[in-house]
Amino acid sequence: EDKVVQSPLSLVVHEGDTVTLNCSYEVTNFRSLLWYKQEKKAPTFLFMLTSSGIEKKSGRLSSILDKKELFSILNITATQTGDSAIYLCAVVGGSGGYQKVTFGTGTKLQVIP
Amino acid sequence: SQTIHQWPATLVQPVGSPLSLECTVEGTSNPNLYWYRQAAGRGLQLLFYSVGIGQISSEVPQNLSASRPQDRQFILSSKKLLLSDSGFYLCAWRSDRGYGYTFGSGTRLTVV
Repeated sequence: EDKVVQSPLSLVVHEGDTVTLNCSYEVTNFRSLLWYKQEKKAPTFLFMLTSSGIEKKSGRLSSILDKKELFSILNITATQTGDSAIYLCAVVGGSGGYQKVTFGTGTKLQVIP
Repeated sequence: SQTIHQWPATLVQPVGSPLSLECTVEGTSNPNLYWYRQAAGRGLQLLFYSVGIGQISSEVPQNLSASRPQDRQFILSSKKLLLSDSGFYLCAWRSDRGYGYTFGSGTRLTVV
């Protein structure tokens, strides 16, 4: 059974801090790893990672994948209160035309002023 | 551009009542469509996926069902809701452009 584990489950930091969120996985026929940010409603896409060692970056957020050790990290530097959200990691597996997506439970990040 | 619509946004239903949640996609044809449920404090659980009209696959046995009567329409139903059906339901479609999955705005269902 495919499995995605995120840590920590929740985190409280002060504005300006740097945080690292972790995602480890076990999946059959790995295709890609996705990071999402979920505030009040639907998750919004952050990154898709398919290759090891290549950092994806968007502003203060960055992410990297290690396919050998089966994990990914999401870094947020100089955190702001607007970064408060649940961050979801999802792994896409499967073969042929069918892709199965398994989500982790998420990391709840709270940034306090 | 592709958009995904999901309604209603919130729903309170008594135990034993029926359910119908609708999801439609615009700006794409023959999309792969998905229904997910997010229980409080948990990740997203895949309920159903569909690769085309009338083609439904179920990932988790439950009292819910799904239908795809049209290419861009995906419906989640139940004949009799249970308390355990409460949760946040998300419809999603898969992009071929490498952006992963796009989600609808979600429906928060409370069964009382």
